[in-house]
Amino acid sequence: DSGVTQTPKHLITATGQRVTLRCSPRSGDLSVYWYQQSLDQGLQFLIQYYNGEERAKGNILERFSAQQFPDLHSELNLSSLELGDSALYFCASSVALAGGGDTGELFFGEGSRLTVL
Amino acid sequence: AQSVAQPEDQVNVAEGNPLTVKCTYSVSGNPYLFWYVQYPNRGLQFLLKYITGDNLVKGSYGFEAEFNKSQTSFHLKKPSALVSDSALYFCAVRANDYKLSFGAGTTVTVRA
Repeated sequence: DSGVTQTPKHLITATGQRVTLRCSPRSGDLSVYWYQQSLDQGLQFLIQYYNGEERAKGNILERFSAQQFPDLHSELNLSSLELGDSALYFCASSVALAGGGDTGELFFGEGSRLTVL
Repeated sequence: AQSVAQPEDQVNVAEGNPLTVKCTYSVSGNPYLFWYVQYPNRGLQFLLKYITGDNLVKGSYGFEAEFNKSQTSFHLKKPSALVSDSALYFCAVRANDYKLSFGAGTTVTVRA
């Protein structure tokens, strides 16, 4: 058990709908990362937050958005869903360093499997 | 921009034989290099990392990796593979922009 909790584990929805994926990082971790894993695209970095602030952005679509709350949990919002959004979405957290930043060693949750029909 | 290449989609070895999973990278500046493993229906697990220092890095479960700056490689190795090592292995690189970029992954199958 990595200590990172993701909900829901499975989600089935229809095209055009909106879903929210939730992530609770390990206790004490300030960084939260979101990744999308699909068979054709592999593991794609979406976005990273550090202590509530967006730190890095990857291949995240405009239909997707995320935020990190004061209690450090994070949510990934996916809207106007398309069939191609079906994937496994991972959240990961990282150990914070005293001077800011993190070690880069990520602890992954079990993922949220999204199926868009 | 940073990138990682894992040239082999699959690696098959017999139990007890040495295991090598290859990785090359491209990054501006000094790289932070990582290996992760993913078992079926699970999240990724950290194996080891290289940031600076000794080019040979030892990690979890008997794995090690060798950093080679001139060849921009970071190959994962295990002297004697186990059936339980069968999994999907990812190499990753991070530069100064905090983004951790993963390779496409290599499926390792260890036969008894």
